[in-house]
Amino acid sequence: LAKTTQPISMDSYEGQEVNITCSHNNIATNDYITWYQQFPSQGPRFIIQGYKTKVTNEVASLFIPADRKSSTLSLPRVSLSDTAVYYCLVRGSGGYQKVTFGTGTKLQVIP
Amino acid sequence: DAGVTQSPTHLIKTRGQHVTLRCSPISGHKSVSWYQQVLGQGPQFIFQYYEKEERGRGNFPDRFSARQFPNYSSELNVNALLLGDSALYLCASSLRLADQETQYFGPGTRLLVL
Repeated sequence: LAKTTQPISMDSYEGQEVNITCSHNNIATNDYITWYQQFPSQGPRFIIQGYKTKVTNEVASLFIPADRKSSTLSLPRVSLSDTAVYYCLVRGSGGYQKVTFGTGTKLQVIP
Repeated sequence: DAGVTQSPTHLIKTRGQHVTLRCSPISGHKSVSWYQQVLGQGPQFIFQYYEKEERGRGNFPDRFSARQFPNYSSELNVNALLLGDSALYLCASSLRLADQETQYFGPGTRLLVL
């Protein structure tokens, strides 16, 4: 099982770009990398998913280097409402059954 | 389109009691999973159901059980409640069972066991 490691917390000022890096040294060939955002007392919200290189959607970008041993979630111009916990997941064969969310990264956006 | 819905939103029980939590997946989604999230930790996988059959079980005691109905909604049952069962219980649905399928989470049910 691919274990992920993320910083426990990060602070950023409003309007800045935030990059959260996740380490997954044991990622397997068929594993996907998925990021979720969670606000207090709410369910996690899907942000983005990727397998390699770069994926971009309307809210974030995901950068995955060639060796896939890490990934970086990039949030452009964060606002106060982006204050949340961000989880990096690696999952492959067995889907979410073998996923442990971990403790995530607590992002605090400062005015 | 409605997302994943869960009921009730909050629940208070006492030790030894039984609880039933309910989940309605996104329309068209056939897979439902349940997670337990204790304060300060990430969600932990409990069960996954697909087409009314259990397809996966996490490391939880037999006090936890679930089922999925023909309309793909699901119930999570917990018997003989313990104080440690106090948590946010999350339901997630996905279209299929495929490994790369994205799961979409509901708002959760906050259970407090006294």
